Amino acid sequence: TQLLEQSPQFLSIQEGENLTVYCNSSSVFSSLQWYRQEPGEGPVLLVTVVTGGEVKKLKRLTFQFGDARKDSSLHITAAQPGDTGLYLCAGFITSGTYKYIFGTGTRLKVLA
Amino acid sequence: EAQVTQNPRYLITVTGKKLTVTCSQNMNHEYMSWYRQDPGLGLRQIYYSMNVEVTDKGDVPEGYKVSRKEKRNFPLILESPSPNQTSLYFCASSPTPNQPQHFGDGTRLSIL
Repeated sequence: TQLLEQSPQFLSIQEGENLTVYCNSSSVFSSLQWYRQEPGEGPVLLVTVVTGGEVKKLKRLTFQFGDARKDSSLHITAAQPGDTGLYLCAGFITSGTYKYIFGTGTRLKVLA
Repeated sequence: EAQVTQNPRYLITVTGKKLTVTCSQNMNHEYMSWYRQDPGLGLRQIYYSMNVEVTDKGDVPEGYKVSRKEKRNFPLILESPSPNQTSLYFCASSPTPNQPQHFGDGTRLSIL
């Protein structure tokens, strides 16, 4: 079974602080997606990274795909209460299959 | 409005009573998936479909069936539900397998 380990599981920080969430696997992914999920709703896509070493920025969020396409990170600068939510990474595997492996999620709480 | 619609949103039922959770998308997407979300385990893919009449197992297919007779619909069938299938279920679709997935709002299923 392929695994995508996500850390930390929980994070509670003060407004204005920076944070990084990590996703690591022994599997190679064709692409990796980051989602954010609010209570009572389905996940919503934040970004997709495809190329090894790729860095994408979305306002205060920076996403990086590892050179070997086995890991990824999400960095939030100057976190705000509106960033509170569940962050999920999802790796897409295409060797003999076309399936997704999700990380276990990082529940972020940003305190005002 | 582009959306993925799941029904029902909530269901409480008993062991062994067959049930179907419907999923419909109006975006003409080829790739559709079913996931279950459990605390501490994240989202796990149950089945996916590349197109009409093409379905394949995800990571946790035991106890579930799916069908894809039309492009827009991808029902999840539990022939003989058991308590360990109590979970939050999400349907998702994307234009092609490697593109961002659009998720429904989820179905909370309780099997007593």
